[in-house]
Amino acid sequence: AAGVIQSPRHLIKEKRETATLKCYPIPRHDTVYWYQQGPGQDPQFLISFYEKMQSDKGSIPDRFSAQQFSDYHSELNMSSLELGDSALYFCASRSGTDSYEQYFGPGTRLTVT
Amino acid sequence: ILNVEQSPQSLHVQEGDSTNFTCSFPSSNFYALHWYRWETAKSPEALFVMTLNGDEKKKGRISATLNTKEGYSYLYIKGSQPEDSATYLCAFKGNFNKFYFGSGTKLNVKP
Repeated sequence: AAGVIQSPRHLIKEKRETATLKCYPIPRHDTVYWYQQGPGQDPQFLISFYEKMQSDKGSIPDRFSAQQFSDYHSELNMSSLELGDSALYFCASRSGTDSYEQYFGPGTRLTVT
Repeated sequence: ILNVEQSPQSLHVQEGDSTNFTCSFPSSNFYALHWYRWETAKSPEALFVMTLNGDEKKKGRISATLNTKEGYSYLYIKGSQPEDSATYLCAFKGNFNKFYFGSGTKLNVKP
């Protein structure tokens, strides 16, 4: 069965650079969530989208922005990267109508040096 | 700030032992409670989604119960196996499109 796809899987950036993470939800899923998990930390909700509109916002820094496109894939744009942004970034997708379950992608490991 | 608490933080059991752990969450504005199994360096695997007070769900040797009035859910593992070793996360979903995760219970099953 198709799963949530994230790219890239690993990314190394320097401080003050920008990064773009991509999430491709399961086909026919219209809701995407982004989470950040720092080393040894609980996952933190960043932002979610439903039908290409932002539906909720969590602890997403102002340096980050995200959007959901017409094909329902989502991109998380991160600017002025800081060392503390090094983390695993997960996205999850859900069908707003069919299921309560979220399905997680494999994550993107971002390392800021 | 919404608190979702899991206990214990970690658990070490012998193969064959049965075990259980707890997820506590706010009893108001409840929408759903999710349980995930999270192995290191992998993405979380959904175990159960529970929505109704009194729900009981089972998947193989793992089962879960839900009490929305008092705000807790139990996860049970019967006859633990080494492959059950993982972090078990619960996530509370209230009446908004946001999930609040607990800090997880790290289970280590020794052969």
